[in-house]
Amino acid sequence: AQSVTQPDIHITVSEGASLELRCNYSYGATPYLFWYVQSPGQGLQLLLKYFSGDTLVQGIKGFEAEFKRSQSSFNLRKPSVHWSDAAEYFCAVGEYGNKLVFGAGTILRVKS
Amino acid sequence: DTGVSQNPRHKITKRGQNVTFRCDPISEHNRLYWYRQTLGQGPEFLTYFQNEAQLEKSRLLSDRFSAERPKGSFSTLEIQRTEQGDSAMYLCASSLYGTSYEQYFGPGTRLTVT
Repeated sequence: AQSVTQPDIHITVSEGASLELRCNYSYGATPYLFWYVQSPGQGLQLLLKYFSGDTLVQGIKGFEAEFKRSQSSFNLRKPSVHWSDAAEYFCAVGEYGNKLVFGAGTILRVKS
Repeated sequence: DTGVSQNPRHKITKRGQNVTFRCDPISEHNRLYWYRQTLGQGPEFLTYFQNEAQLEKSRLLSDRFSAERPKGSFSTLEIQRTEQGDSAMYLCASSLYGTSYEQYFGPGTRLTVT
């Protein structure tokens, strides 16, 4: 069965510092991988996605993620965090067009 | 296109009442998904449609829950005889199967059962 683990429930970084959010997945075939961001009381916004090709993918808002098959990981990174990045981030895995399985999320706090 | 919309945004109901939520997907999208999100958790899949056909239902979807997408456009999710454990955010997403695989989410309906 598909599963996603986000080991960090909360992360606090200083504004301007770099960020890495961890995601590990379990999936039998080549996965579709996604990162979404959710602000309080809101729906989810797609940051970036990966299915095939270059293992380093670029997304919106300056985010990128790297797919590492050997480690079953899809970590999200940003070189310099802005206060507006404070939100909850979800990693998800799925099959083409089918349901997504989400991790429990990582809450990012940004301190000034 | 204004994206996925959901109504109502908030619903407070008493235990035992029935509630219905509506989701309007992005207009050309043929797949529509329902997820449920409880506090501190990621969204959990409930069911999805391709056009008007319901293709999969989660075991989370008890017989008190029913979803429809009668003309392949908007969808409704009904919960009968609500229980306090049904309190959650109900999220709808849509995608264009056959062209891309991203799911786009609506703002959600927050249900509180008192």
